[in-house]
Amino acid sequence: DAKTTQPNSMESNEEEPVHLPCNHSTISGTDYIHWYRQLPSQGPEYVIHGLTSNVNNRMASLAIAEDRKSSTLILHRATLRDAAVYYCILRAAWASSNTGKLIFGQGTTLQVKP
Amino acid sequence: DTEVTQTPKHLVMGMTNKKSLKCEQHMGHRAMYWYKQKAKKPPELMFVYSYEKLSINESVPSRFSPECPNSSLLNLHLHALQPEDSALYLCASSQELARGNQPQHFGDGTRLSIL
Repeated sequence: DAKTTQPNSMESNEEEPVHLPCNHSTISGTDYIHWYRQLPSQGPEYVIHGLTSNVNNRMASLAIAEDRKSSTLILHRATLRDAAVYYCILRAAWASSNTGKLIFGQGTTLQVKP
Repeated sequence: DTEVTQTPKHLVMGMTNKKSLKCEQHMGHRAMYWYKQKAKKPPELMFVYSYEKLSINESVPSRFSPECPNSSLLNLHLHALQPEDSALYLCASSQELARGNQPQHFGDGTRLSIL
């Protein structure tokens, strides 16, 4: 399985944009890039995913490098509620039973200061 | 609010007890998952059911026994657990196992403590 590398922790100020990086240099051409986050005392929550093009939804934006070896999750205006562990995960587009699973790395713990 | 419902939210049990964790989803998803999460660690996959058949068992000890009685329900039967099995147990579902562009939806978990 292709691996991802994320910083252990990041800090942000409330109402400022946050850019969370993820390196995935061994990504294959058919791997989707998924982002999940886990707030304290809750299960992981799907945030966004993409393949090649940048993606936007109501929660965040995903910027994917042209060579696809890295990506950045962008929270446009951080709130205190965005303090969580953010996970960047690769998933094959068409997976066999053994590769259709999510493999969580250590993720990035985001602290948001008021 | 989560669309995957797990019960109970908390469970304390002795090492000789038998108990079950329950997970329910009504999104029509055909893949369901059990994960285990220790404190300050990422979730680790335990089992995957696809179309009500066990598809993946990540070498989980037999004291954990999964069951998928129908497409909406997933159970995890527990027997003779050890203190190191104390953890947050998460259930998730997705439309299908094999489609990599489909997100997984997680419940908020059952926090299990083994005395």
